[in-house]
Amino acid sequence: SQQGEEDPQALSIQEGENATMNCSYKTSINNLQWYRQNSGRGLVHLILIRSNEREKHSGRLRVTLDTSKKSSSLLITASRAADTASYFCATDLTSGYSTLTFGKGTMLLVSP
Amino acid sequence: DTEVTQTPKHLVMGMTNKKSLKCEQHMGHRAMYWYKQKAKKPPELMFVYSYEKLSINESVPSRFSPECPNSSLLNLHLHALQPEDSALYLCASSQDRDRGNQPQHFGDGTRLSIL
Repeated sequence: SQQGEEDPQALSIQEGENATMNCSYKTSINNLQWYRQNSGRGLVHLILIRSNEREKHSGRLRVTLDTSKKSSSLLITASRAADTASYFCATDLTSGYSTLTFGKGTMLLVSP
Repeated sequence: DTEVTQTPKHLVMGMTNKKSLKCEQHMGHRAMYWYKQKAKKPPELMFVYSYEKLSINESVPSRFSPECPNSSLLNLHLHALQPEDSALYLCASSQDRDRGNQPQHFGDGTRLSIL
C-alpha cells in the first residue's frame, strides 16, 4: 500500500521558476527521503530528512518536514530544463532498518 | 552512470522461459533490494537482503526467486512469468540496513517484457 501521496501529480513550469511538490503520509516515520527519476532510468537520491529535523537544504533543493501534519515539501528553486523528471517521496517507517515505501510521485516538466 | 549496475538493460521472454536478472555494486554496501516498477507508478519493494541473507519477502510469487551469492551481487531468477510481470525491475543497495537513516542507491533497471 502507498504510504506517501504527492501532489500535484503533474507540474509544468518555465525555466527559472520555482517548483514545489508536497508529500503526505499516514504513519510515524524514521525519516523521509526524496528521489528523482528521469524517464527510463533508475532513481537518484536527492535528500534525506530525519523525523527530528524540520528543514534541510542541498543546492537548489529545500525540503521541509512537518511531523505533526505528516507532510513534507520539496522546493526546487530556479528550475532548469534538466530538472524535468518524476519526483518521489519515500518514507522509512522503522527505526534501525531501511525499508522505503514510495509515494505516487510528481511528474515535473520544465520548459525552456 | 550509476554505481549499481544491472544487466541486461532489456529482456524479452516467453512465459515458459527461465532467465535471470543481475545486479552488482562495489560500494561495500551490505543491504540490497529488488523493486518492481510499473509504468507511471512508484517502485514496489519485492525483496531485501541484509548481509547476504533474505530478510524481507513482500509476498512475491514463487516464480520470482532471489539469490545473493556474495555481498556485491544480487540475482533475480525468473521462471514461468505472466504478462502482468512486465515491468521495470530495479535493484538498489544501502550501506547497512541495520543502521537506518540511509539513502538507497539504485541501478537503471532491467525493462522486462513477457510475451
